[in-house]
Amino acid sequence: EIVLTQSPGTLSLSPGERATLSCRASQSVSSSYLAWYQQKPGQAPRLLIYGASSRATGIPDRFSGSGSGTDFTLTISRLEPEDFAVYYCQQYGSSWWTFGQGTKVEIK
Amino acid sequence: QVQLVQSGAEVKKPGSSVKVSCKASGGTFSSYTISWVRQAPGQGLEWMGRIIPILGIANYAQKFQGRVTITADKSTSTAYMELSSLRSEDTAVYYCAREGIRKNFDYWGQGTLVTVSS
Repeated sequence: EIVLTQSPGTLSLSPGERATLSCRASQSVSSSYLAWYQQKPGQAPRLLIYGASSRATGIPDRFSGSGSGTDFTLTISRLEPEDFAVYYCQQYGSSWWTFGQGTKVEIK
Repeated sequence: QVQLVQSGAEVKKPGSSVKVSCKASGGTFSSYTISWVRQAPGQGLEWMGRIIPILGIANYAQKFQGRVTITADKSTSTAYMELSSLRSEDTAVYYCAREGIRKNFDYWGQGTLVTVSS
């Protein structure tokens, strides 16, 4: 089973700052099957990025994804107040899915 | 627009079973793949299994093999997840989600809280 490790666990930033979130896989992951989600308290996750770098419908362009192989990154170019949340990476392989443990982006 | 609406919260005794439903609207249900993902309090997301309604085929995460059964009723566009031999560690919010084009989850249900307590 592929294990996804996200870092940092918590990111404390101010609105307007840039956020860089990391997702590292225990073995190579197909970029086609790497996704990122945002989750706010009491809500279901929301798809942000799929295929490592494609934004989902309605996602602002301040969100971008990059990476390949075992190292992937989600970047939020300028944090808006509504971006403070928990972010998860997810991969698909061998007929099942795994998620990273999440990175919380909190207001500094 | 796809919508997934789940059944309400449940409180169950250890050792019992729970069955959660997920009714889909919008799109063509038979062409979906529906997965179930759970989230224990304060924890991350955990994939449990999925079903391809048009084929009636399900596959499960190894951790849940033998304890979870995922089914679908095409006539009502509803997927079900039944988890048996419940223990306190199964207390979680259970989500259904539709599989998107790149094996992501593009639509999610609102979640169903299952509490296992004696």
